[in-house]
Amino acid sequence: GAVVSQHPSRVICKSGTSVKIECRSLDFQATTMFWYRQFPKQSLMLMATSNEGSKATYEQGVEKDKFLINHASLTLSTLTVTSAHPEDSSFYICSGTDRGYGYTFGSGTRLTVV
Amino acid sequence: GENVEQHPSTLSVQEGDSAVIKCTYSDSASNYFPWYKQELGKGPQLIIDIRSNVGEKKDQRIAVTLNKTAKHFSLHITETQPEDSAVYFCAASRDAGKSTFGDGTTLTVKP
Repeated sequence: GAVVSQHPSRVICKSGTSVKIECRSLDFQATTMFWYRQFPKQSLMLMATSNEGSKATYEQGVEKDKFLINHASLTLSTLTVTSAHPEDSSFYICSGTDRGYGYTFGSGTRLTVV
Repeated sequence: GENVEQHPSTLSVQEGDSAVIKCTYSDSASNYFPWYKQELGKGPQLIIDIRSNVGEKKDQRIAVTLNKTAKHFSLHITETQPEDSAVYFCAASRDAGKSTFGDGTTLTVKP
């Protein structure tokens, strides 16, 4: 079946630094990639939607200058958390779809900002 | 926008019993309804999905039913096993668009 490989699975970074999270679709072309944030014991909160080759669409309240999303190819999308602060600590998950024929989630990235 | 409500938030069953989780949605244009299982520290995994042109779908011990008129859909797990213990999320979307998730159900299957 479809697989999305997400890396890193865990990352600890110092406050003020930037962190890049990668999601690769291994056996399908992810025409659209969704990026979510999940707090403990809560549901997934959509941060942004990116279509290959175009700018991401951010949900209300999500700072686009802080959470940079790149979707330069049909198999790779990245989320960069810039100038990270402790309140950015969370579980980040990507989900790719090929024109809506199912959505495949990555395994998630646990970000801890110290 | 779409609003998805999921019940119950927690569910505890004895091994071998059935478990039912229900979701309602608000946008009548939604046409894709997946169910995901999420284990601690992992991303959600699709366990079954249904599209709006189908009323019921079954895959071994798991089934999903959809009532378009009432705008609700349900997940049924029969003969539950301890390894079914996890958080389950329902979602609704349309036309390859973004998904709206329910708040999740923590299922505990007691041996």
